[in-house]
Amino acid sequence: GAVVSQHPSRVICKSGTSVKIECRSLDFQATTMFWYRQFPKKSLMLMATSNEGSKATYEQGVEKDKFLINHASLTLSTLTVTSAHPEDSSFYICSATPGKYEQYFGPGTRLTVT
Amino acid sequence: QKEVEQDPGPLSVPEGAIVSLNCTYSNSAFQYFMWYRQYSRKGPELLMYTYSSGNKEDGRFTAQVDKSSKYISLFIRDSQPSDSATYLCAMSAGGGNKLTFGTGTQLKVEL
Repeated sequence: GAVVSQHPSRVICKSGTSVKIECRSLDFQATTMFWYRQFPKKSLMLMATSNEGSKATYEQGVEKDKFLINHASLTLSTLTVTSAHPEDSSFYICSATPGKYEQYFGPGTRLTVT
Repeated sequence: QKEVEQDPGPLSVPEGAIVSLNCTYSNSAFQYFMWYRQYSRKGPELLMYTYSSGNKEDGRFTAQVDKSSKYISLFIRDSQPSDSATYLCAMSAGGGNKLTFGTGTQLKVEL
């Protein structure tokens, strides 16, 4: 149990375009989902916390207009990187919690902006 | 001072060794403690989670929490090459709250 999927697993896009990443909890309802960014050999950096049906809460320094988060249902959250630039290239990982304290992570999405 | 401190390693051990991974923290509000394993280019996998102080065992893994010392540990017995990964400690003050992660310890188990 407690499976979280992400799609796509890898995406390459041109500078200036937008990219949408989906995060789904497959076998539980996620009251809260989180989006992280991870640089090579670094720990996870929390970008935002998303609750179903309400606006996401962004961490300090994260541009909410650039990283649009939608939590449309208890099993789906999306992250859209708008007007992507090469510096946005990174490993993006989502996690979901069923309401208890543990978080279950997706497999990650590697974004490369050329 | 970071809220959570974790030795980044790398830690290299022979197959079959007992591995001890540790984290210290400064926030006394943390009540929930987790250990994640992350293979290269993959998402973290939840290994163990505990609430408050005490021990928890699951197969070859044992998690210990000492809240009085603000110190948590993960022990891996009979380590295998497949245990080679980065191990992240994480903690939270309450249910549904965001996690605070350690920087991760890179472990290599050699044949």
